[in-house]
Amino acid sequence: GNSVTQMEGPVTLSEEAFLTINCTYTATGYPSLFWYVQYPGEGLQLLLKATKADDKGSNKGFEATYRKETTSFHLEKGSVQVSDSAVYFCALSGSNTGKLIFGQGTTLQVKP
Amino acid sequence: DADVTQTPRNRITKTGKRIMLECSQTKGHDRMYWYRQDPGLGLRLIYYSFDVKDINKGEISDGYSVSRQAQAKFSLSLESAIPNQTALYFCATSPLRGAGVRGNEQFFGPGTRLTVL
Repeated sequence: GNSVTQMEGPVTLSEEAFLTINCTYTATGYPSLFWYVQYPGEGLQLLLKATKADDKGSNKGFEATYRKETTSFHLEKGSVQVSDSAVYFCALSGSNTGKLIFGQGTTLQVKP
Repeated sequence: DADVTQTPRNRITKTGKRIMLECSQTKGHDRMYWYRQDPGLGLRLIYYSFDVKDINKGEISDGYSVSRQAQAKFSLSLESAIPNQTALYFCATSPLRGAGVRGNEQFFGPGTRLTVL
């Protein structure tokens, strides 16, 4: 079945450091891929998405490229801020039901 | 006002009790979902609904039931709560049309933290 694997956390970085959170997936067909972010005490909100191979999703300085050849959707940001501290979830939607399959989440802590 | 609301936000109950978690949305979306979040496991789908007459089980539906009372309301019930149902529960909605079903964003409520003693 479909699945998503994220790198283990927590990830601790200093402000202005470069961020990469790895995400790989297993799916049949052509899934859509998403990154959701969960700030402390809140629900999840969409950060970015890509719906077909080679698409790049971007938002708030974050980017991820849909790589079908490596089945990956790694999240990157060139310069993180303290306000980026949150839990990040990679997810895929592989069926017409719209159901999301989530990775286990990666906690990011950014220190000033 | 929040588009997706959940009540209660926190609940502590005892083993064997029946409990209902409620979700309401003002986004006008057809699709609604219930997930639970456990540390290290991400979110897992419990039930989902495409309209009031269309209810479907997710990957972990055992021990749960749902009711879609209206387009805007989707409730999750634990008929006899047990400690391993202690978790953070999220309701989500998505539109039926738009970017294409697979690419449609889901909008999440703030969550209900449930503790079963």
